[in-house]
Parts: sequence; C-alpha cells; structure tokens
Amino acid sequence: GAVVSQHPSRVICKSGTSVKIECRSLDFQATTMFWYRQFPKQSLMLMATSNEGSKATYEQGVEKDKFLINHASLTLSTLTVTSAHPEDSSFYICSAVSEGGLSYNEQFFGPGTRLTVL
Amino acid sequence: GEDVEQSLFLSVREGDSSVINCTYTDSSSTYLYWYKQEPGAGLQLLTYIFSNMDMKQDQRLTVLLNKKDKHLSLRIADTQTGDSAIYFCAESFTGGGNKLTFGTGTQLKVEL
Repeated sequence: GAVVSQHPSRVICKSGTSVKIECRSLDFQATTMFWYRQFPKQSLMLMATSNEGSKATYEQGVEKDKFLINHASLTLSTLTVTSAHPEDSSFYICSAVSEGGLSYNEQFFGPGTRLTVL
Repeated sequence: GEDVEQSLFLSVREGDSSVINCTYTDSSSTYLYWYKQEPGAGLQLLTYIFSNMDMKQDQRLTVLLNKKDKHLSLRIADTQTGDSAIYFCAESFTGGGNKLTFGTGTQLKVEL
C-alpha cells in the first residue's frame, strides 16, 4: 500500500514551452502533497505544499506564477512548469501524506520526474 | 532557520557496519527520519525516531539520537551492496504541517 506515482518519469522540452507533471496517490487519499526539486548530488528543496481544494503554499523564493500547482482531488496534484528555461532542468519529486495519517507523519514519495529543457 | 548537515560520502566493505551521521540546529523537531534514495528514484523511508527517544532498533538498522548535541546517526549492520545509495536524514516540527527539512545527504558506497 501507500504508493505514489508520477507521470511522466522523464520529459524533454524546448525552451519556452510548458510542462505538466502529475502526482497521484494510488491507494490512499492525500490531503496534503508536497513538491520538491532536487539538483544533481544535492538535497531536496521544498517548493510548495499542495492542499486539496485550496491554493498551494509556496516556499520563499519559489515563483508561484512559474510553478503552477493544482490539487484538484484527494488523489491528484499537478505541477506545471510554465515557459520553461534550461535553468528549470531538474529532478522534481512529489510526496503525499495520507488523510488520517500516521502519527509519525510519513510522507510517501513518488519516483520523481526528470525534466530537461533544451 | 533549520540547517541539517551530513558528511558527503562514506565507503565501507561488504559485511562491515556503516554509520551515517547527521547534525541539526533546530531543537523543536518532533520526529527525525532516515530516507534512502537509489539513483534516479524517489525516497524510501527506512526508519524514524520520536524526538524524546534515544535509540531505536529495527532489524539491521539502529538509530541513535543525542538531543543535547543535536546529533542523529544511522547504523547499518552487515552492510550489503544493495545498501549503496544516498541517505538523507530529515526532521519534522511541531506546527510544521507535516513539512520536512532534509539533510544534505550522504552517499554510501559498499565495496566487495
């Protein structure tokens, strides 16, 4: 149980285009999902917290108009990188917290999406 | 702000024990976690410890927490080649809304 999927796993796009990444909780309902960005050989940087039915909360320094987050249902959150540029190339990882979750607040992580902007 | 530091790299021989260390600065953590990340993949929770505990053992894994020194460690007994990965410590906070702060990550290489 507690599986989180991401789609696509890899995407290559041209500069100036927009890319949508989906994060799904497959066997549980997620009241909260998180979006992270990870550069090579570095740690995860939290970009935003996505709550079902409300606006995402962005971390300081993350452009909300650049990284659009939609959490339309308890099993799906999407991250859209708008007008992507080469500096947006990164590994994007989502995680989900189960509704009525465990006391130790486990986040279940997706397998990540590798974005390359040419 | 919260800073969570780890040594970058650790190399051990198969069968030996590995000890991965983590230091943090914020003392208001509620839970501390150890995650494993294999190349090109997401994170897998290995174990966690509540902040009022000193030690937790789970099969080959032993977590030690020294709150006074703000030091967390993960010991892997009988390390295997399949343990080669990047290990991240992380902490959550009271009132943090399930947010995690991750350490810088330690790459563990297990040699034959």
